[in-house]
Amino acid sequence: AQKITQTQPGMFVQEKEAVTLDCTYDTSDQSYGLFWYKQPSSGEMIFLIYQGSYDEQNATEGRYSLNFQKARKSANLVISASQLGDSAMYFCAMREGFYNQGGKLIFGQGTELSVKP
Amino acid sequence: DGGITQSPKYLFRKEGQNVTLSCEQNLNHDAMYWYRQDPGQGLRLIYYSQIVNDFQKGDIAEGYSVSREKKESFPLTVTSAQKNPTAFYLCASSVYPPGHTIYGYTFGSGTRLTVV
Repeated sequence: AQKITQTQPGMFVQEKEAVTLDCTYDTSDQSYGLFWYKQPSSGEMIFLIYQGSYDEQNATEGRYSLNFQKARKSANLVISASQLGDSAMYFCAMREGFYNQGGKLIFGQGTELSVKP
Repeated sequence: DGGITQSPKYLFRKEGQNVTLSCEQNLNHDAMYWYRQDPGQGLRLIYYSQIVNDFQKGDIAEGYSVSREKKESFPLTVTSAQKNPTAFYLCASSVYPPGHTIYGYTFGSGTRLTVV
């Protein structure tokens, strides 16, 4: 069964520093997509970045980049130049299969990031 | 603007009551999903639907029921059989099949259910 593991329940980072949030996944499918979401205390889910299993380049979106190591089945999120507004829960999620499996997302347990001034 | 509307934002349920959470989308998305989130935890899939009049159980469907009579609507009923319903419930929708798209998922703002 597919599974997402986030081993860091909580992380602290100094403002303006970079931080890496870990995510490992388990799937037997060759076609899958990996997502990172941010959830502030309000509860909304904010999409940050996506990596497809066939994408050769690591995804980047502004201050966010995804360190995709397919052989290790890891998809770590790197946030550069942390800001106070980055304090939130961060979830790694996987969609197994592009045209089957119902399109459902499976989530990790999340990492709570706190940015210190 | 297109999006997903969940209502109510806060809901209180007495022991033994059924309650229904509303989820409406105007994005013309085929697929819709219900997730449950407990404090400090990730999201767990309750039910999902790829097409009108059809839906599948997720990982924690016991004590919940859904219907999909219209493409826009996917209400979730928390029945009295759900012994620990206090949680945050999120509805989402997506294009289906998702293919290689990255912009597939839109989430509602959630309903916080508390048993009193």
